[in-house]
Amino acid sequence: DTAVSQTPKYLVTQMGNDKSIKCEQNLGHDTMYWYKQDSKKFLKIMFSYNNKELIINETVPNRFSPKSPDKAHLNLHINSLELGDSAVYFCASSQRRGVGNEQFFGPGTRLTVL
Amino acid sequence: SQQGEEDPQALSIQEGENATMNCSYKTSINNLQWYRQNSGRGLVHLILIRSNEREKHSGRLRVTLDTSKKSSSLLITASRAADTASYFCATDDGGGFKTIFGAGTRLFVKA
Repeated sequence: DTAVSQTPKYLVTQMGNDKSIKCEQNLGHDTMYWYKQDSKKFLKIMFSYNNKELIINETVPNRFSPKSPDKAHLNLHINSLELGDSAVYFCASSQRRGVGNEQFFGPGTRLTVL
Repeated sequence: SQQGEEDPQALSIQEGENATMNCSYKTSINNLQWYRQNSGRGLVHLILIRSNEREKHSGRLRVTLDTSKKSSSLLITASRAADTASYFCATDDGGGFKTIFGAGTRLFVKA
């Protein structure tokens, strides 16, 4: 049983397109996250939701819009994709909000924008 | 700039040797965590050390924290080829809600 799952695993698309990445966790956790990992492996928080409420919204272009239909799902929609959006996007979850809580990561979605 | 920065950026050792990775951070923290990332995979939590702790052990892992120097180290003893991965430290920003990851140390253990 996969604790945190993401789809798709790979996404190759043209500049200007709109795409979505889906994330689901079956751990019963309250808090979910989206991270972006660039080519140098630097991992940066983008968004965090706690019980469907947005609690962290980093300086991310408004082309990125997260949506949490319920606390087990956190999707990421990206409009007008740009070359610089190419990266690996990780979803994660933790039992509660707060950095003392262990985060469980999904396998990542490698996005390539051509 | 990043809160946590690992050193060295890359480390190559022989199986059986010990591997030491260091992490430095800038602001006060509540706790510090270490994660491992195998190639093409998500991060896996290894250990958490709180700001009032100085040392913690978990199996072959030993983590130290020196809040006066704003630094932590991760020691992997008797390394194995399966330990080959990137290792990240993660801290909070002092506010307690946002986790900030460093750029990681890439460890390569030769069999």
